[in-house]
Amino acid sequence: GAGVSQSPSNKVTEKGKDVELRCDPISGHTALYWYRQSLGQGLEFLIYFQGNSAPDKSGLPSDRFSAERTGGSVSTLTIQRTQQEDSAVYLCASIPNEQFFGPGTRLTVL
Amino acid sequence: AQSVSQHNHHVILSEAASLELGCNYSYGGTVNLFWYVQYPGQHLQLLLKYFSGDPLVKGIKGFEAEFIKSKFSFNLRKPSVQWSDTAEYFCAAASIQGAQKLVFGQGTRLTINP
Repeated sequence: GAGVSQSPSNKVTEKGKDVELRCDPISGHTALYWYRQSLGQGLEFLIYFQGNSAPDKSGLPSDRFSAERTGGSVSTLTIQRTQQEDSAVYLCASIPNEQFFGPGTRLTVL
Repeated sequence: AQSVSQHNHHVILSEAASLELGCNYSYGGTVNLFWYVQYPGQHLQLLLKYFSGDPLVKGIKGFEAEFIKSKFSFNLRKPSVQWSDTAEYFCAAASIQGAQKLVFGQGTRLTINP
């Protein structure tokens, strides 16, 4: 596609539920990044994919967070047993060096 | 540890005023530097970037930034701001090696009064 797309755009969930966030990167680009933007922490790196492997997952805040990428394209970020502090906008970006961002998924954990 | 610091949390200006937003970085090696803008209700957009070469880089919408290596700074400037420049501005740095993940500053909220 022409840009990075993410779904859903908004997600409201109850504490303790699992959620899956999806990212469709720019077609053909092998690098993919997840970040999150929250009021308290600003913009933080979560995980980086090169192809289907994740050589840098140092930003994942806990083992409740995981991500995968299949076919060198779509990526899914999964948060298990969500907590209120997980509420944030989750952003996906592709292309190293310039990192064009998708519109994000706003996650609200009640 | 790698870090990026933005000096101003909230800047309020009148239209036609000149703008300078400060950004300093702390990194162990060579970095690429970026400024992103987030307009109200919109997603992050790249304003400009510095990789190498001329330390004065020009971006979209009349913005420019100057890389001063000796000061570890990458300040954003615009000679004359417009009401439509009201947004949040983020400075970011990425190592040229490895994952090239972005480390962001805290952001500066810019309000332009008409």
